[in-house]
Amino acid sequence: NAGVTQTPKFQVLKTGQSMTLQCAQDMNHNSMYWYRQDPGMGLRLIYYSASEGTTDKGEVPNGYNVSRLNKREFSLRLESAAPSQTSVYFCASSEGRNNQPQHFGDGTRLSIL
Amino acid sequence: AQSVTQLDSQVPVFEEAPVELRCNYSSSVSVYLFWYVQYPNQGLQLLLKYLSGSTLVKGINGFEAEFNKSQTSFHLRKPSVHISDTAEYFCAVSGGATNKLIFGTGTLLAVQP
Repeated sequence: NAGVTQTPKFQVLKTGQSMTLQCAQDMNHNSMYWYRQDPGMGLRLIYYSASEGTTDKGEVPNGYNVSRLNKREFSLRLESAAPSQTSVYFCASSEGRNNQPQHFGDGTRLSIL
Repeated sequence: AQSVTQLDSQVPVFEEAPVELRCNYSSSVSVYLFWYVQYPNQGLQLLLKYLSGSTLVKGINGFEAEFNKSQTSFHLRKPSVHISDTAEYFCAVSGGATNKLIFGTGTLLAVQP
């Protein structure tokens, strides 16, 4: 079972470059999420999609855009990367009810020089 | 608004000793509580969850947690830890109308031989 698959696993960008992080889930989940993880700060929600066709801002949306391409796929785009966006990015999915756990991918480690 | 506090950023412990990782939450609505584990360079895996019913919840790898509504706590315990338990542990809460998870900042459990 693949679960939640993120690509790429590692990426180095220069300031100002753009990039799209891809996420796909094979569990037929309704909701999908993008987080960033920084030392000492836990996971912070960037954007989420409660269901296909909807997206909403999370705690730290500035500098990012998202697309819920279909029920399986949810991409995160950095239009003009900044060093402050150096982080580990995690995608997650869930059935969508608040008593259901989220399932996480293995992360994308992004460095911006 | 909901919040989660994990007061201990690191907990060193010797192998085969008991351990408790503390988690306190704040919420104005009924909550669902989760503990996740993150091994190095991996995503988060669900350890256990409290939805309702018995306040003592058992999870994978011998971990358990107790929901205490009056203390607004959900501490994680294991009676005897192994080297392989070395990882970062995150407490999370959800509830109300949203299906978003709010994470604590994490506790690094460092098991020493």
